[in-house]
Amino acid sequence: QLQLQESGPGLVKPSETLSLTCTVSGGSISSSSYYWGWIRQPPGKGLEWIGSIYYSGSTYYNPSLKSRVTISVDTSKNQFSLKLSSVTAADTAVYYCAREEGLGELSWGQGTLVTVSS
Amino acid sequence: AIQMTQSPSSLSASVGDRVTITCRASQGIRNDLGWYQQKPGKAPKLLIYAASSLQSGVPSRFSGSGSGTDFTLTISSLQPEDFATYYCLQDYNYPRTFGQGTKLEIK
Repeated sequence: QLQLQESGPGLVKPSETLSLTCTVSGGSISSSSYYWGWIRQPPGKGLEWIGSIYYSGSTYYNPSLKSRVTISVDTSKNQFSLKLSSVTAADTAVYYCAREEGLGELSWGQGTLVTVSS
Repeated sequence: AIQMTQSPSSLSASVGDRVTITCRASQGIRNDLGWYQQKPGKAPKLLIYAASSLQSGVPSRFSGSGSGTDFTLTISSLQPEDFATYYCLQDYNYPRTFGQGTKLEIK
């Protein structure tokens, strides 16, 4: 059974870089069938897609975040990662990783809250 | 980017009611649409994929329809556990986009 688990610091200082890792179990990140993505949800607000990566390293990013986002993949560890630079309080959110299965279907991690505060 | 306009943003209903939530895409997305239910503190849960296919384990009172630009999620008879927030998602192309959400509350 597929499981995705986000990990990383729960508190990041303003202007620093937020770094999260998603560890995939029960499936191979090297599968040719899927993209792997990051989504976030600020407290009390809706869902925002951040970006996605293929096992080969091909990426797509949300244009509104593109200048600050880097998503990478480590197939040897079955993980993919998110880096968001120059964070502000507006980046405080629950961050989810997900497997994109197509036709509107996502398999989600449980999410991790990241707070940006000094 | 494709805009997903979801309505209503909130809805008050009673147990047993039939409710419909709509999502309109700013351009055609075939049937590349999913519907999700989210409860506080939890990750979204897939209800419908491919616009009208019921995810395994989801009660049959949930149904989806539509193709192209107009989509609906219908709950045929509301149950107490259905009070939650609902989102649509298009994955026709990148960037992926969600609807703004519909908060379904008890009347």
